[in-house]
Amino acid sequence: DAKTTQPNSMESNEEEPVHLPCNHSTISGTDYIHWYRQLPSQGPEYVIHGLTSNVNNRMASLAIAEDRKSSTLILHRATLRDAAVYYCILFRSGAGSYQLTFGKGTKLSVIP
Amino acid sequence: ETGVTQTPRHLVMGMTNKKSLKCEQHLGHNAMYWYKQSAKKPLELMFVYSLEERVENNSVPSRFSPECPNSSHLFLHLHTLQPEDSALYLCASSDPDRKNIQYFGAGTRLSVL
Repeated sequence: DAKTTQPNSMESNEEEPVHLPCNHSTISGTDYIHWYRQLPSQGPEYVIHGLTSNVNNRMASLAIAEDRKSSTLILHRATLRDAAVYYCILFRSGAGSYQLTFGKGTKLSVIP
Repeated sequence: ETGVTQTPRHLVMGMTNKKSLKCEQHLGHNAMYWYKQSAKKPLELMFVYSLEERVENNSVPSRFSPECPNSSHLFLHLHTLQPEDSALYLCASSDPDRKNIQYFGAGTRLSVL
């Protein structure tokens, strides 16, 4: 499986934008980039995913480098509820393909 | 509320006990998963069921026995566990046709004494 590299932790001030980086230099052409987050005492929660183009949804934006070897999850205005561990995961779509391989993620702290 | 419900939320059991964890989803998904999350370790995939058939079994000890009676329900039967099996056990479901976006339950916090 292609691997991802994320910083162990990051801090942000409340109501400021947050850019969470992810490196995936061994990504293949059919790998989708998924982001999940896990709030304390909860299961992981899907945030966003993309393949080549930048993506926006109500939770976040995903910026994907042109060579696809890195991506950035953008939270436009961090709130205290965004404090969580954020996971960047590569998923290879295809018949019989199910496995999401979680790494250690980035622990985001939001400072009031 | 993710649409995936796990019971119980907390479980304490002795090493000689037999217990079961339950997961239920009403999202119309046809794939279900069990994950284990130990303290300060990444989530580890244990089992995957697709259309009620087991499609992945990631070298999990036989003291963990999954069961998927239908596409909405998934069980994890536990027997003769060890203290190192204490962890958060998470269930998820997905529709593989939607890029495998997985919806997770809140988990069962298991303590083995």
